[in-house]
Amino acid sequence: GAVVSQHPSWVICKSGTSVKIECRSLDFQATTMFWYRQFPKQSLMLMATSNEGSKATYEQGVEKDKFLINHASLTLSTLTVTSAHPEDSSFYICSAPHQGGGGYEQYFGPGTRLTVT
Amino acid sequence: GENVEQHPSTLSVQEGDSAVIKCTYSDSASNYFPWYKQELGKGSQLIIDIRSNVGEKKDQRIAVTLNKTAKHFSLHITETQPEDSAVYFCAASEGGSYIPTFGRGTSLIVHP
Repeated sequence: GAVVSQHPSWVICKSGTSVKIECRSLDFQATTMFWYRQFPKQSLMLMATSNEGSKATYEQGVEKDKFLINHASLTLSTLTVTSAHPEDSSFYICSAPHQGGGGYEQYFGPGTRLTVT
Repeated sequence: GENVEQHPSTLSVQEGDSAVIKCTYSDSASNYFPWYKQELGKGSQLIIDIRSNVGEKKDQRIAVTLNKTAKHFSLHITETQPEDSAVYFCAASEGGSYIPTFGRGTSLIVHP
């Protein structure tokens, strides 16, 4: 089946620094990828839709200048958390849709745990 | 927009028992209902899905049922095993738009 990878799997950074998270579709092309944020014991909240070759679409309440998204190729989307603060600590997950036999299905990356100290 | 409710939030069962997780949705245009399993500290994995043209789908110990009239769908796990312990999320999405709206998740604990 389709595989989505993320790198790094976990990262610790100091407050005020920036962190880049990569999301790759390994065996299929994805013109669209999605970025989610998940707080402990809560559901996945969609942050933004990453579109290859164009600007990302952000959900209401998500700061586009703080969470920079770049979808430079059909297999790679990156999320950069700029000027990170402790409240940005969370589990970030990406997904990419891939067309199966009955239609599109979402394939999720393993997630990146960000801790800001 | 779509709103997905999921119950229960926590489910504890003995190994070998069955587990049932229920979800309701609000948008009658939704026609794709996937279920995801998330193990501790990991991303979510699609385990089964159902589309609106069928009422039930089964894959070994896992089954999903859909009632479009009542706008609810359920996940059934039979003969549960400790490795089934995880958080399970239901989701709903509209045809042509594959961004799913997620339920809040159910933490399933299977005691050996």
